[in-house]
Amino acid sequence: DVVMTQSPLSLPVTLGQPASISCRSSQSLAYSDGNTYLSWFQQRPGQSPRRLIYKVSNRDSGVPDRFSGSGSGTDFTLKISRVEAEDVGVYYCMQSRHWPPWTFGQGTKVEVK
Amino acid sequence: QVQLVESGGGVVQPGGSLRLSCVASGFIFTGYGMHWVRQDPGKGLEWLAFIRQDGDNKYYAESVKGRFTISRDNSNNMLYLQMNSLRTEDTAVYYCAKEGAASWDVDVWGKGATVTVSS
Repeated sequence: DVVMTQSPLSLPVTLGQPASISCRSSQSLAYSDGNTYLSWFQQRPGQSPRRLIYKVSNRDSGVPDRFSGSGSGTDFTLKISRVEAEDVGVYYCMQSRHWPPWTFGQGTKVEVK
Repeated sequence: QVQLVESGGGVVQPGGSLRLSCVASGFIFTGYGMHWVRQDPGKGLEWLAFIRQDGDNKYYAESVKGRFTISRDNSNNMLYLQMNSLRTEDTAVYYCAKEGAASWDVDVWGKGATVTVSS
């Protein structure tokens, strides 16, 4: 199974400042079709997860452009250019290249300092 | 808009059974595979099962293989998870989730159904 490792697991942030979350996979998530199958999800307190980014860098409809995804192979990053109060929650990466099983990172808790 | 609503959660004793249901709306149900994912209280996400559009191909996590069965009723836009031989470690919120288009992942999640396994 592909192991997804996120860091940090806790990220205190200052509103208006940038934030960055790393996700590493134990195997390359690139496929022969030219795509890389890595997604990011946001889970606000008391809510179900919501997909933000798919195939590394594609933002879902309605996701603010302060969220961006980058990376390749086994190393990926989710960046928030300027953190807002509504961004507080837990962020997960997920790989969908080598399935089953689909696997998630442990989650990164973003909280305001 | 796309909506997934789970039902059937509750409290069950170890060794018992429970069936979760998920009604889908707002998209062509027969065009997408469907997943079940769970979340332990205060913990991370664990993928459990996936069923392809036609219902003929099913995949399971090792932790539930042989105990849980995923199924779907395409006539009624319904997804199911039959859970047998439940253990205390199966206590979690269970989410129904739709396959992402051309991304092999999950794009829309339901609000979840809580399952508590306790004597």
